[in-house]
Amino acid sequence: EVQLVESGGGLVQPGGSLRLSCAASGFSFRDNWMSWVRQAPETGLEWVANIKPDGSQEYYLGSVKGRFFISRDNAKNTLYLQMNNLRAEDTALYYCTRAQMHTFNIWGQGTMVTVSS
Amino acid sequence: QSVLTQPPSLSGAPGQRVTISCTGSSSNIGANFDVHWFQQLPGTAPNLLIYNNNNRPSGVPDRFSGSKSGTSASLVITGLQAEDEADYYCQSFDNRLGAYVFGSGTKVSVL
Repeated sequence: EVQLVESGGGLVQPGGSLRLSCAASGFSFRDNWMSWVRQAPETGLEWVANIKPDGSQEYYLGSVKGRFFISRDNAKNTLYLQMNNLRAEDTALYYCTRAQMHTFNIWGQGTMVTVSS
Repeated sequence: QSVLTQPPSLSGAPGQRVTISCTGSSSNIGANFDVHWFQQLPGTAPNLLIYNNNNRPSGVPDRFSGSKSGTSASLVITGLQAEDEADYYCQSFDNRLGAYVFGSGTKVSVL
């Protein structure tokens, strides 16, 4: 069964850090681009970052560039998102997705990140 | 404010045809980037419904269809069913922002 399972969300204070993980199964993780997409009530769905299959290239939404870092461990079939200097506007449900043909065709169930003091 | 504009809500009776519009600009849909559509049922993750303007992944009923013209795209649900009650989002790429972008979402209600 094709599956993406996120973990690592939680409550963090402004300026704090959090690392999200996503365990992939049921498809060839090492051969696919992967992405993080977030969803907040105020801003709707928002693409956050992409990473190439071999991890050699990353792309970011402008508002997270320099604060968020996407990475992957193909030996562990796991995607990561390191989030630093978190802001209230980063509060959202974060989804791990498989990216193909410039869209997102597999989604996890999401992990909630709340940034609040 | 979303780069791609959708009507906030639409409704229809069972069996009716519903059309959801997605309006972009010359830096996204008008720049010939493909449009994709997602269905999000309450409490679940989005699910790819249409890719590359008018293609359905396996398992998606043929009552869902997509089209694109100029700076806009449309999702048509022909023969609306109760199980189609959900939020629908369009998605494309914007070369001015250098980012994948989503529509504001349309809530479809079945009367």
